[in-house]
Amino acid sequence: EPEVTQTPSHQVTQMGQEVILRCVPISNHLYFYWYRQILGQKVEFLVSFYNNEISEKSEIFDDQFSVERPDGSNFTLKIRSTKLEDSAMYFCASSGGLGYTFGSGTRLTVV
Amino acid sequence: QQQVKQSPQSLIVQKGGISIINCAYENTAFDYFPWYQQFPGKGPALLIAIRPDVSEKKEGRFTISFNKSAKQFSLHIMDSQPGDSATYFCAASIMAGKSTFGDGTTLTVKP
Repeated sequence: EPEVTQTPSHQVTQMGQEVILRCVPISNHLYFYWYRQILGQKVEFLVSFYNNEISEKSEIFDDQFSVERPDGSNFTLKIRSTKLEDSAMYFCASSGGLGYTFGSGTRLTVV
Repeated sequence: QQQVKQSPQSLIVQKGGISIINCAYENTAFDYFPWYQQFPGKGPALLIAIRPDVSEKKEGRFTISFNKSAKQFSLHIMDSQPGDSATYFCAASIMAGKSTFGDGTTLTVKP
C-alpha cells in the first residue's frame, strides 16, 4: 500500500533555529497538507497545498512557516525561528481528492 | 462554525462489546466525514468515511451512522477487540479542503 514518508522521525532544535521537515507524498496525489498535534491534543490544520501553491492556511501558519515542493516529489515545511510552543508532532498528509493518507510524523522538540 | 465536537473523551469497553463514538458539526457546507484511527507514535489512518447523501456506511465491524438534520455522525465498532484500542478522531471537510478534527476519543478494549 502506498505510504507517505516523513523525515526525520524526531528532531531536537534550539529555540530560534530554523528547521525543515520533509515529506514524500504518494506519487499520484494532488493535494498536500501539514497538520500538527501537540501531545495529547487534537490534530490542527496548518496549511494545504495544491497546484504548486498554498490553497489554504490557518492562523497558526504565520510568517515563520513556509512550505515548498522543491523538486516535484518532496514537500517541505520550514519553520524559520522556532519557539518552545512549536514543539509538537508534525504530520504530512496527501490526498487524491477525498480522505488523507498521513505520514508517521516528525516529533519536533524545541529546547 | 468550523468546530467538530466529539464525545466521549475516553471509552472503556469489554471485548466483544460495541464501542460508540459521537460527533457533531456546525458547518452545513461540510460534505465529507471521515474517521481516523491513531495508534501511539503513528499518524492517523483513514478508517471509514461517509458523504451526506447516505445515512449509514458499513465496512466490516465499523459502521458510520449519519444524521444530516441533526448534524451528527457516529462510529460504531461491533465486536470490539483489544487490537481496536487506539485514539479515534472524527473529521469533517469540504471536498479536498482542510479537515477539521474532533478532539479525539481514547478507546480501551479490555480482554
